[in-house]
Amino acid sequence: GEDVEQSLFLSVREGDSSVINCTYTDSSSTYLYWYKQEPGAGLQLLTYIFSNMDMKQDQRLTVLLNKKDKHLSLRIADTQTGDSAIYFCAEGNLQGGKLIFGQGTELSVKP
Amino acid sequence: DTGVSQNPRHKITKRGQNVTFRCDPISEHNRLYWYRQTLGQGPEFLTYFQNEAQLEKSRLLSDRFSAERPKGSFSTLEIQRTEQGDSAMYLCASRWRDSGNTIYFGEGSWLTVV
Repeated sequence: GEDVEQSLFLSVREGDSSVINCTYTDSSSTYLYWYKQEPGAGLQLLTYIFSNMDMKQDQRLTVLLNKKDKHLSLRIADTQTGDSAIYFCAEGNLQGGKLIFGQGTELSVKP
Repeated sequence: DTGVSQNPRHKITKRGQNVTFRCDPISEHNRLYWYRQTLGQGPEFLTYFQNEAQLEKSRLLSDRFSAERPKGSFSTLEIQRTEQGDSAMYLCASRWRDSGNTIYFGEGSWLTVV
């Protein structure tokens, strides 16, 4: 069945790079997404990658996709305290569009 | 219209009562989704609409849950005879069918059943 897994916690120092990892199982996934959730809030779309790409860069964010291993990562350069939040990886396809989410990785940025 | 709007943002209800949540998607988005998120978990898919047609329902959507999108614009999610296990955040999302890469979420509606 469809499953998305993430490590639960990551702690970094301000100014360092953060790397959040995710594995998924559905090989028919068309898009892979990263969402950010701050306490008590909804989900903010950060970036996405189409499954035929292996890298996408968007300002401080770099997404790497290894389709063979079904592994996705999100790198945040120059991490700031405002980046502290829960980050969700999700997989989806164009047909229905529903997303399957991981459990989320809580990123803690220490000054 | 700047985003997906949900209300109420918070609802506390007694067990056994009915509750209804409303979602107003981004204008002209023809796909609308409902998800449920419990503490410490990622969102779980409940159901989705294309225009007014409900195209898919998760097994999580028991017969106490009903969702509608009567005119293909806003949607409501009703929970009848609430149980404590229904306490969660209910998230709505929308998307324009032909731009499959951008799915936008609202701020969510928190439900606490006491």
